[in-house]
Amino acid sequence: SQTIHQWPATLVQPVGSPLSLECTVEGTSNPNLYWYRQAAGRGLQLLFYSVGIGQISSEVPQNLSASRPQDRQFILSSKKLLLSDSGFYLCAWSSNRAGANVLTFGAGSRLTVL
Amino acid sequence: AQSVAQPEDQVNVAEGNPLTVKCTYSVSGNPYLFWYVQYPNRGLQFLLKYITGDNLVKGSYGFEAEFNKSQTSFHLKKPSALVSDSALYFCAVRALNQAGTALIFGKGTTLSVSS
Repeated sequence: SQTIHQWPATLVQPVGSPLSLECTVEGTSNPNLYWYRQAAGRGLQLLFYSVGIGQISSEVPQNLSASRPQDRQFILSSKKLLLSDSGFYLCAWSSNRAGANVLTFGAGSRLTVL
Repeated sequence: AQSVAQPEDQVNVAEGNPLTVKCTYSVSGNPYLFWYVQYPNRGLQFLLKYITGDNLVKGSYGFEAEFNKSQTSFHLKKPSALVSDSALYFCAVRALNQAGTALIFGKGTTLSVSS
């Protein structure tokens, strides 16, 4: 069966510090991968998605970047965090087959920028 | 652009009563619609989806949703609510842009079931 892992689960970082959140998927090949941000307990915003290694698309301009160095690894990064980067970050994967594929989410990473 | 709207920030029901969480959609073409549930500090869990076929879709934990094309709605329902159903519920529609299979989510509705 497929599983998705995110870490760290909780992170407190000062303004201006770097960020790295990692997401890995097991039990599938060539998945579509996504990063969402949830602010203030609701409202999911799609940040990045990837259909393959090294292929990253950004949905909104922002202080964050994403990378996919391996087929089942998706990393969310920032060089200098802003207060507005605080939130709950969710990684998700879906099959790359055409159709209305279900997104499966990780447990999330809560980032607090002070 | 594809979008969904959840008009209620919160829905309160008593245990054992039927519940409805509302969702309306705006799409180009045929909609692919989803419901997810989120418990505190957790990721989202898939409940059900509508692609085509029967307008009444059955999902996990006794939930169902009714697709209504004329009203552009996809309301989530359950005949008898449980206290454990209390959570944040999201309606979503498949994106039809370069995001491919990504989902566009509503703002969420908090369901509170009282005993």
